[in-house]
Amino acid sequence: EPEVTQTPSHQVTQMGQEVILRCVPISNHLYFYWYRQILGQKVEFLFSFYNNEISEKSEIFDDQFSVERPDGSNFTLKIRSTKLEDSAMYFCASSRAFDEKLFFGSGTQLSVL
Amino acid sequence: GESVGLHLPTLSVQEGDNSIINCAYSNSASDYFIWYKQESGKGPQFIIDIRSNMDKRQGQRVTVLLNKTVKHLSLQIAATQPGDSAVYFCAETGGGNKLTFGTGTQLKVEL
Repeated sequence: EPEVTQTPSHQVTQMGQEVILRCVPISNHLYFYWYRQILGQKVEFLFSFYNNEISEKSEIFDDQFSVERPDGSNFTLKIRSTKLEDSAMYFCASSRAFDEKLFFGSGTQLSVL
Repeated sequence: GESVGLHLPTLSVQEGDNSIINCAYSNSASDYFIWYKQESGKGPQFIIDIRSNMDKRQGQRVTVLLNKTVKHLSLQIAATQPGDSAVYFCAETGGGNKLTFGTGTQLKVEL
C-alpha cells in the first residue's frame, strides 16, 4: 500500500532555532494536512493544504509556522523560531479527495531543548 | 503550571476474545467518523470509517457502531490478537479531513 513518508524521524533543536519537517504525500493525493501530538495528549489538527494554499488552519498554527510545496512531491512545514512547547510528534497526512480516507505518515518527533 | 498528559483508559482482553472500545463524541454536526490504531512510535493507521447515514459497518474482524442519538461510537474487534495491541482513537469531522480526535484507549492483549 502507498505510504506517506516523513523525514527526519527525530529532530532535536535548540529553542529559537528554525526547523524544517519534510513530507512526501502519496503521489495521486491532492489534499495535505499536518497534525501534531504532544506526548500523552490527543492528536491535534494544525492545518490543511489544497491547490497550493492553506485551506484551513487551527489557532495553534500561528506566524511561526509556514508551509511550502517546493515541487510536485515534497511538502514541508517550517517552524521559524522554536519554543519548548513546540516539542511534539508532527504528522503529515494526505487524502485523494476532500472527504476520502486520510493516510498518516509515521511522524517526526521534534524535541526542543 | 505544568501540563499533565492524558491518562488513557486501558482495556485488557485475552487473546481470542472480542474487544469493544467506546467513544463519545461531542459535535452533533459531525457526519463522518473514523477509528484509527496507533502503535508506539507510529502514525495513526486507518481501521474503519462510518458516515452518519449508517449505524453499522463491518470490515475484516472489525465492526463500527454509531448511535447518533447519544453521540456514541464503538469499535468491535473479533478474536483479538496480540498484534491488535495499540492505542485506538476515534475521530470525527463535519466535513473533509479536519479531524477532531478522541482521547484514545489503550488495548492490551494478554496471551
